[in-house]
Amino acid sequence: RKEVEQDPGPFNVPEGATVAFNCTYSNSASQSFFWYRQDCRKEPKLLMSVYSSGNEDGRFTAQLNRASQYISLLIRDSKLSDSATYLCVVTTSGTYKYIFGTGTRLKVLA
Amino acid sequence: GAGVSQSPSNKVTEKGKDVELRCDPISGHTALYWYRQSLGQGLEFLIYFQGNSAPDKSGLPSDRFSAERTGGSVSTLTIQRTQQEDSAVYLCASSLGLALQETQYFGPGTRLLVL
Repeated sequence: RKEVEQDPGPFNVPEGATVAFNCTYSNSASQSFFWYRQDCRKEPKLLMSVYSSGNEDGRFTAQLNRASQYISLLIRDSKLSDSATYLCVVTTSGTYKYIFGTGTRLKVLA
Repeated sequence: GAGVSQSPSNKVTEKGKDVELRCDPISGHTALYWYRQSLGQGLEFLIYFQGNSAPDKSGLPSDRFSAERTGGSVSTLTIQRTQQEDSAVYLCASSLGLALQETQYFGPGTRLLVL
């Protein structure tokens, strides 16, 4: 079983739609969680960290469910510019390895 | 300010040759990471540095891969006797320090093609 798993998609949604992605992790000792965004042939960039209490940044909401070992990303009012691959990242206490999921591809359609 | 830079941006080499990839982290960042991303795949962790020290080399795929960092700044990733399966984008990232909540800033990557 992979340490971090994501549905590869693609998720094709119309502009203005709400879309949600989940990411599951296998190590219960995982401590920090992030969502990164990667545009085609570009480097990943931090979208947001994920905090235990959940957090929101504009149209983006991230949540953590430790009991079920998953994190989620919700995007409201999707824009064409949101089209990208969204990477889930997990780190584990005792190591500074950042484990990346393979990403979920989102395509927002006009 | 300047971000993470990597060179070369593209490298084509023949199977069996050695290649050296360079990463210049953001000034003042003490932690540096190397990843590999194959076509359509996620990022595979290779190695990280805290200062000049690499506490965890477990991600290096084989003993053909090595990395060093000098002066707490520039890092080089060397691949000896390259194989076709080494073809990938090699990404470097740096962070201010080594902490689990630190943001990693990525360079544009080096696209390596082994013929």
